[in-house]
Amino acid sequence: SAVISQKPSRDICQRGTSLTIQCQVDSQVTMMFWYRQQPGQSLTLIATANQGSEATYESGFVIDKFPISRPNLTFSTLTVSNMSPEDSSIYLCSVPGDLNTEAFFGQGTRLTVV
Amino acid sequence: QKEVEQNSGPLSVPEGAIASLNCTYSDRVSQSFFWYRQYSGKSPELIMSIYSNGDKEDGRFTAQLNKASQYVSLLIRDSQPSDSATYLCAGSIHNQGGKLIFGQGTELSVKP
Repeated sequence: SAVISQKPSRDICQRGTSLTIQCQVDSQVTMMFWYRQQPGQSLTLIATANQGSEATYESGFVIDKFPISRPNLTFSTLTVSNMSPEDSSIYLCSVPGDLNTEAFFGQGTRLTVV
Repeated sequence: QKEVEQNSGPLSVPEGAIASLNCTYSDRVSQSFFWYRQYSGKSPELIMSIYSNGDKEDGRFTAQLNKASQYVSLLIRDSQPSDSATYLCAGSIHNQGGKLIFGQGTELSVKP
């Protein structure tokens, strides 16, 4: 499976500010995904990062709040904009495995908004 | 009905026992299913994949898939304290490889 590196691993941010999370993969992948895991909850898909086109967002998530970039086949960023305490979560990027069905995850970014 | 639903936890078993984790799914979810293990403060780790009806065994883990009942389970034999974690059931979405819907997770505690 691919090696996925996320940074930062954690951050504490002031409300109203924005944080950009980076995800780097050691091999080229067509699809990259961003998930959110709120405290004590399971994973919810935010969006699919498509190379060369706009990201595809899931219901309940919008581009103005979670802009995503995908400049090449190994890198993506997720920005959490105008943060509030409700955005405190773990944010995870993932890529499909060799069978293009399963997903592998980066180590996550633990965000706390104060 | 949630698209992927797991039996509520937490589940506590004694060391050496069999832990049984269950999951049901809706029609939107494809026929590919996965079990992830997540230790506190860590990201999910894939431990089992199952694509066809029946059982799949890997060491102490056995995944079972019943498509007719839309049911998938994970059995952990000879449970160890190191198995204590949250187990997440996930299914892939039809024709959207790598994109998963997760259940709410079941917290397993294995007591020495």
